[in-house]
Amino acid sequence: SQQGEEDPQALSIQEGENATMNCSYKTSINNLQWYRQNSGRGLVHLILIRSNEREKHSGRLRVTLDTSKKSSSLLITASRAADTASYFCARFYGNNRLAFGKGNQVVVIP
Amino acid sequence: DAEITQSPRHKITETGRQVTLACHQTWNHNNMFWYRQDLGHGLRLIHYSYGVQDTNKGEVSDGYSVSRSNTEDLPLTLESAASSQTSVYFCASSDPGQNTGELFFGEGSRLTVL
Repeated sequence: SQQGEEDPQALSIQEGENATMNCSYKTSINNLQWYRQNSGRGLVHLILIRSNEREKHSGRLRVTLDTSKKSSSLLITASRAADTASYFCARFYGNNRLAFGKGNQVVVIP
Repeated sequence: DAEITQSPRHKITETGRQVTLACHQTWNHNNMFWYRQDLGHGLRLIHYSYGVQDTNKGEVSDGYSVSRSNTEDLPLTLESAASSQTSVYFCASSDPGQNTGELFFGEGSRLTVL
């Protein structure tokens, strides 16, 4: 899982399987966001979940938020080779700034 | 389509030289940010700006400066490059009116300091 001091996690799965990655944080949030980064590219926003929401869906993505445990998870269903990327969670802590986790690297094997 | 562009995409420089990385966005966003990305550290905020003539230090601002003379541009300057500043640098922008913090990123500038 991602949090401030942990090393990035790596996940290798077969195409068609589901990929789950976790993120934890230490302070209160306004919202939590997930971003994808393909190799050598910039980050791209995937999905945002607000602090008063528990689950959100967008296409093959499902994100959950547990504010009591200060954790979030991102599920990618029916993974594809094109989902190979690094995934970052980011905590919105006010003043229009985000604090990023260290990322999870996902490799989808065709 | 609106976009955010960074230049150069790759640069090699020597210790002690001044380096400027350019960032230009056509989103018309007031908020602009510079991050650096290093293995094991994720993205760390260097400087940010909420509008013209506004600049603020982030968590790793030593050795870096920015200036904001218009809405579109936020150049990042390394006054005297050091090997510890070898990194990938990302510029990003956001719309404060959305109040979500959602960021739009450039493609990054890879800087090597020899």
